[in-house]
Amino acid sequence: NAGVTQTPKFRILKIGQSMTLQCTQDMNHNYMYWYRQDPGMGLKLIYYSVGAGITDKGEVPNGYNVSRSTTEDFPLRLELAAPSQTSVYFCASSYGSNTEAFFGQGTRLTVV
Amino acid sequence: QKEVEQDPGPLSVPEGAIVSLNCTYSNSAFQYFMWYRQYSRKGPELLMYTYSSGNKEDGRFTAQVDKSSKYISLFIRDSQPSDSATYLCAMGNTGNQFYFGTGTSLTVIP
Repeated sequence: NAGVTQTPKFRILKIGQSMTLQCTQDMNHNYMYWYRQDPGMGLKLIYYSVGAGITDKGEVPNGYNVSRSTTEDFPLRLELAAPSQTSVYFCASSYGSNTEAFFGQGTRLTVV
Repeated sequence: QKEVEQDPGPLSVPEGAIVSLNCTYSNSAFQYFMWYRQYSRKGPELLMYTYSSGNKEDGRFTAQVDKSSKYISLFIRDSQPSDSATYLCAMGNTGNQFYFGTGTSLTVIP
């Protein structure tokens, strides 16, 4: 099992560019999450999904979009990158809503 | 008021010391409590998971939950340099979201 895999590991974007952060899991988990982690701010939930075809906003969804066409994949889309989106992004998955979440290794994004 | 408060540290202790890490929270509906460990430039990994109040022990780690005080703790006995990491508390109720603390940075000095 690879667990939760995120790509890319690092990326530098210019203001206004768009990109997709990829996340895939091979544990057949129903729940998937996207978090951002800023220094001193902890993990903030951006979007989550409880199953294929179902997504919902978290605490900080503005500027992001997601889709969940399969159980395995949960990509995060940034349409117009802004410096405020400079952060480390973590994808996670879990079997249920209150069970252990498994995290990917993170994507370090810088917007200049 | 933040859902979860956690002292960011940093905390520096000598090898073999007992470490106490703490979080407070404001939502009395929280029932699920977790501690994650995060090494530098890595994703968080689950250390301890507890439901409702009480203690849970796993090797050198003990998690305590005091729902009446809205206070949770993680104790690390006989701390090792390999325990040097950031420790995140997380908690939630029957909804779909966990709330994370900001993390406490711990360094264990050999």
